[in-house]
Amino acid sequence: GQQLNQSPQSMFIQEGEDVSMNCTSSSIFNTWLWYKQDPGEGPVLLIALYKAGELTSNGRLTAQFGITRKDSFLNISASIPSDVGIYFCAGPDPNSGGSNYKLTFGKGTLLTVNP
Amino acid sequence: ETGVTQTPRHLVMGMTNKKSLKCEQHLGHNAMYWYKQSAKKPLELMFVYSLEERVENNSVPSRFSPECPNSSHLFLHLHTLQPEDSALYLCASSRLQDTGELFFGEGSRLTVL
Repeated sequence: GQQLNQSPQSMFIQEGEDVSMNCTSSSIFNTWLWYKQDPGEGPVLLIALYKAGELTSNGRLTAQFGITRKDSFLNISASIPSDVGIYFCAGPDPNSGGSNYKLTFGKGTLLTVNP
Repeated sequence: ETGVTQTPRHLVMGMTNKKSLKCEQHLGHNAMYWYKQSAKKPLELMFVYSLEERVENNSVPSRFSPECPNSSHLFLHLHTLQPEDSALYLCASSRLQDTGELFFGEGSRLTVL
């Protein structure tokens, strides 16, 4: 299946700092999704992006759908300890013939926030 | 509380045991999924049920057997598993028309001895 490359793999930051992470693919995606997984929990959808160039915010989180449709970015401003977790990018597999239920996930970015 | 409940949260089993994982969704969704999450790997889609019919079986070994008796319930029956099957098994649900907006349960942590 299609691979999504997330960067960085992990981040250690101080509370109050801003965070930026990204996700790239060799294929075009028509939808980009960002999920967060808290320790011991399942992933939760943070932001969904449906148009190239789209910039969407959810509180302190902002995500962008890259113009090339091969990448997406997630920014977190003024981080707090509860931002700790794994952040996944995902999108419908371009090779799945348009099936919107078959998602490809990245390996995730592990975020640690020091109080 | 995501509206998707998985039981048990933790399961330890021997290679000769038979056990089942259960998932229930209270969201009125029409699709349900099983994913496998292993350390340092992307989430792997195992099975998809749409309107209670299996529409995806992602080359999963037959020692994993899914069952979807109705739109709210999903099971994963396990038998003669291997130690490498130890992982977090996540259930999710969605409305088929909502691209990628999956609602996940908390997962069942499986350890095979």
